[in-house]
Amino acid sequence: SYELTQPPSVSVSPGQTAIITCSGDNLGERYVSWCQQKPGQSPVLVIYRDTERPSDIPARFSGSNSGNTATLAITGAQTMDEADYYCQAWDSDTAYVFGTGTRVTVL
Amino acid sequence: EVHLVESGGGLVQPGGSLRLSCAASGFTFSMYSMNWVRQTPGKGLQWVSYIFRSSSTIHYADSVKGRFTISRDNDKNALYLQMDSLRPEDTAVYYCAREGIGSSYYMDVWGKGTTVTVSS
Repeated sequence: SYELTQPPSVSVSPGQTAIITCSGDNLGERYVSWCQQKPGQSPVLVIYRDTERPSDIPARFSGSNSGNTATLAITGAQTMDEADYYCQAWDSDTAYVFGTGTRVTVL
Repeated sequence: EVHLVESGGGLVQPGGSLRLSCAASGFTFSMYSMNWVRQTPGKGLQWVSYIFRSSSTIHYADSVKGRFTISRDNDKNALYLQMDSLRPEDTAVYYCAREGIGSSYYMDVWGKGTTVTVSS
């Protein structure tokens, strides 16, 4: 089955850039999306189709995808960005696959 | 405003059954494919099942195949998940999630979830 691997945690100082990676075989050949989940809340889509951002998501969130790695960047991270982040892709055999998740800490 | 509201969760004994429902509003339900996704306490997201907008295509995670059945009623704007032969490892918060328009391979709207606890 297809698997997506993320680092368990990422820490960043306020105003700095947080980089979250998502790795999978030939991931660059698939569309990747990212969702944010704050404690006690439902997930929220922040990036879709590798680089697209929903209209209500701040521009400090950006995405890229190439080779075996997709990346979510939070440029100028704020304390409100502290959350768990999950990448997600579609596989023709497995259907939807989520990454293992990354906890982002801003302090 | 777009809303998804799950219901039907609760406490059930191993081997028992539950039927989850998801009520959709604020959009043309029949135009969107839908999913169920679950999250074990303190763990990550796990995709459970997918249904195409016309119900012509359905997928299940291997962990629930043969035990869970996804369905939808486009006239009632409702999504369902029939869960049979439940196991303790099925304990989780179950979310319904809308797929983006077209065959888009991402989930753009999520409900607040309903909690399923499988325990004796």
